[in-house]
Amino acid sequence: ELKVEQNPLFLSMQEGKNYTIYCNYSTTSDRLYWYRQDPGKSLESLFVLLSNGAVKQEGRLMASLDTKARLSTLHITAAVHDLSATYFCAVDDSNYQLIWGAGTKLIIKP
Amino acid sequence: NAGVTQTPKFRILKIGQSMTLQCAQDMNHNYMYWYRQDPGMGLKLIYYSVGAGITDKGEVPNGYNVSRSTTEDFPLRLELAAPSQTSVYFCASSYAGGAFGANVLTFGAGSRLTVL
Repeated sequence: ELKVEQNPLFLSMQEGKNYTIYCNYSTTSDRLYWYRQDPGKSLESLFVLLSNGAVKQEGRLMASLDTKARLSTLHITAAVHDLSATYFCAVDDSNYQLIWGAGTKLIIKP
Repeated sequence: NAGVTQTPKFRILKIGQSMTLQCAQDMNHNYMYWYRQDPGMGLKLIYYSVGAGITDKGEVPNGYNVSRSTTEDFPLRLELAAPSQTSVYFCASSYAGGAFGANVLTFGAGSRLTVL
């Protein structure tokens, strides 16, 4: 059974700091996705990682995928308040079903 | 281009009542999904569909039913509502098997259901 674990589940940090969210999964997959959910809102796609070594960046967020380690990271550089949200990672199983992590609630304090 | 449209946005039900959450997408996506999200929690898959006429159970299907008579629509039926069904419901769609096999979901805005 494919399992996806995120850590930390909750992160409070100061603006200007760097931090990394980790997403581990239990079986082989080379398709991993990051989504963002603002409080009281829906989910929106952030990054799509489709191969080992894939790296995607947008603004202060950078995501990477290591399929051999079954690990993806979401790195936040010089955090700003607007990045406060819950971030989910999800992994494709063999039937195009996404297995979701529990989410990381990120609070960035001014 | 509306994307995924869910109605209603909010609904309060009494225990034992039934209702249907509507979901429509205009992106010609083949896959559609219903998730529920309890407060402070992640997503749980209720039902999904890989195409018109085909549906299958997810992780938490009890108390729900779905149908998919067209590519565009995927309604979720709640029968005999219970307080445990109080949640936010998200419909999503995707074109599975697209470029490089990516399966990127587009979500609706959500439907907040309270059962009292």
